[in-house]
Parts: sequence; C-alpha cells; structure tokens
Amino acid sequence: AQSVTQPDIHITVSEGASLELRCNYSYGATPYLFWYVQSPGQGLQLLLKYFSGDTLVQGIKGFEAEFKRSQSSFNLRKPSVHWSDAAEYFCAVGSNTDKLIFGTGTRLQVFP
Amino acid sequence: ETGVTQSPTHLIKTRGQQVTLRCSSQSGHNTVSWYQQALGQGPQFIFQYYREEENGRGNFPPRFSGLQFPNYSSELNVNALELDDSALYLCASSFFQRDEQFFGPGTRLTVL
Repeated sequence: AQSVTQPDIHITVSEGASLELRCNYSYGATPYLFWYVQSPGQGLQLLLKYFSGDTLVQGIKGFEAEFKRSQSSFNLRKPSVHWSDAAEYFCAVGSNTDKLIFGTGTRLQVFP
Repeated sequence: ETGVTQSPTHLIKTRGQQVTLRCSSQSGHNTVSWYQQALGQGPQFIFQYYREEENGRGNFPPRFSGLQFPNYSSELNVNALELDDSALYLCASSFFQRDEQFFGPGTRLTVL
C-alpha cells in the first residue's frame, strides 16, 4: 500500500539549533516527493520537491531534504531554526505533482 | 496574479444537511484538486477536476461530489453530512501535471 510515515508527532528545538524531520514512504513506482509547511489557519506552502536527479534538494526558507532510495526516506533538514519556523510540516508522495498522499505531520515548536 | 481562494472560511452544519464549498483557482491553472484534512491529520485526497471532468478520486463515498466550471473554478458538494465530515477542506490548483499545486487557505466545516 502507498503510504507516508512521519514518526515524530511533535518536535521541540531551541532557536538556532539544527533540525531534522523524518519521513519514510512506501510507494510502488518512482515517487515524486514533497515537503509542505502549514501555519495555523493557513493553507499548505511548498518547501521543496524531488522528482529526479540530485538527491539533495534545496528549498525555500533555508530548508533542504535528501532522498535516500535504499531507506525509502526523504528527511527535511535546516541548519539553524528560526522562531518563525514553528508550524506543522507535512511530507507527501505522489506519481506526479498532484493527487498526493500526505503523512500525518510533525508539529515543530521553537523555544527562544 | 491572484492566488487560490476558497469560500466560505467557516461553516457550521447539522447532520444530514448538504453543503457546497467553493474554490477559485490561480490564474492560468486548469486543474483543481480537493483534500480533506481532519483535525490532527494530514490532508487526504478527495478528487481532482481537469477540463471540467473528474480525473481521479480518493477513498471517499459518492456523497462527495464536485464540479469544475469553464473558468476552472470548482465546487465540492457533500450530501447527507456526518459528524466525521468535520474537517478543513483544502483546494489546490495547478497546471495539469506540471510543476507544483498551490493550496488555498481552506474552509473549516463543522458538523453538529
């Protein structure tokens, strides 16, 4: 079955600390992979996407993610977190850019 | 360039009633996808409309139906509302299978 697992429901970090959010997927075909961010009361904003090519992808707001086919993972990283990064983060997979399967999300809390 | 807009912002209905949610796609986009996001969950794909035809459907019953109009705006209709239909309904527009989809802010539906 096609699915996305985000093992961490809630993560708390201090401002300036590094961040890694985990994402594992199960998908039969070559996946399109995405990370979205959702602030309270807002829709989803795309942080970055992976279709093919270089397995390390750069996104907006200083985020990056690495595709590891052998581990079926697409973890999101940021070297230094800002208080404004506090939000809900969703990993998603699809056969194209739409009709996506989302994980249950990771809530990021940032302490000053 | 106008982004994706949705109306209404909030809606309260009672069990058994019917509801219509509306979405205006981003300028130049011809595809609209609808997602349901229950509290504490990731978005779930309901269906997609392309050129006024349904183009893919997730695991939702037939009482969830939709329309797409010649200007590419869309409606989501839900009949015989159930308590579990309470959720944030997100609309996303895109140019068919190209690049990313852009999400609207959502409609919060509460079923009492």
